[in-house]
Amino acid sequence: EIVLTQSPATLSLSPGERATLSCGASQSVSSSYLAWYQQKPGLAPRLLIYDASSRATGIPDRFSGSGSGTDFTLTISRLEPEDFAVYYCQQYGSSPITFGQGTRLEIK
Amino acid sequence: QVQLVQSGAEVKKPGASVKVSCKASGYTFTSYGISWVRQAPGQGLEWMGWISAYNGNTNYAQKLQGRVTMTTDTSTSTAYMELRSLRSDDTAVYYCARDLLGTHDYWGQGTLVTVSS
Repeated sequence: EIVLTQSPATLSLSPGERATLSCGASQSVSSSYLAWYQQKPGLAPRLLIYDASSRATGIPDRFSGSGSGTDFTLTISRLEPEDFAVYYCQQYGSSPITFGQGTRLEIK
Repeated sequence: QVQLVQSGAEVKKPGASVKVSCKASGYTFTSYGISWVRQAPGQGLEWMGWISAYNGNTNYAQKLQGRVTMTTDTSTSTAYMELRSLRSDDTAVYYCARDLLGTHDYWGQGTLVTVSS
């Protein structure tokens, strides 16, 4: 199975700053089938990005995804207070579907 | 609007079984699959498997093979996940999610399953 490793584990930033989250895969992710999810405490995850760089419906354009092969990035251009949460990457190019362990984005 | 509404919290003893339901509305049920994802307390997300609401085909995570069964009832637009021979490490929040080619764009609210003697 494809193992996804996210870095950093925790990212401490202030509102208005730029956030860069990384996701590395143990094997190439087929067809860039890589998604990003945001999860806040007590809530279900929310799909942000699919196919590595396509924004899901209703997602603000400050969220962007990039990458291919084994290296992927989620960028939040200017952090809003509501963006502080845990972020997971997920690959769905090969079975089983796997998730990264998550990056916690916290307020500095 | 698309909604997935799951059944309520469960407390089970080790060795028992649990069946969680997920009722879909706001879209054509048979046009999408349903994936099940669980999250142990304080931990990350674990994909459990997928079922096609169109034809009932399934794909389960290998570690759960033999213990999990996913089904759908198209007459009520409801998906079910049954997990048997429960252990303490099955304690988790269980989510259903609408699945289109592996992306999960809508999620249920989650069902807490606690396994404790």
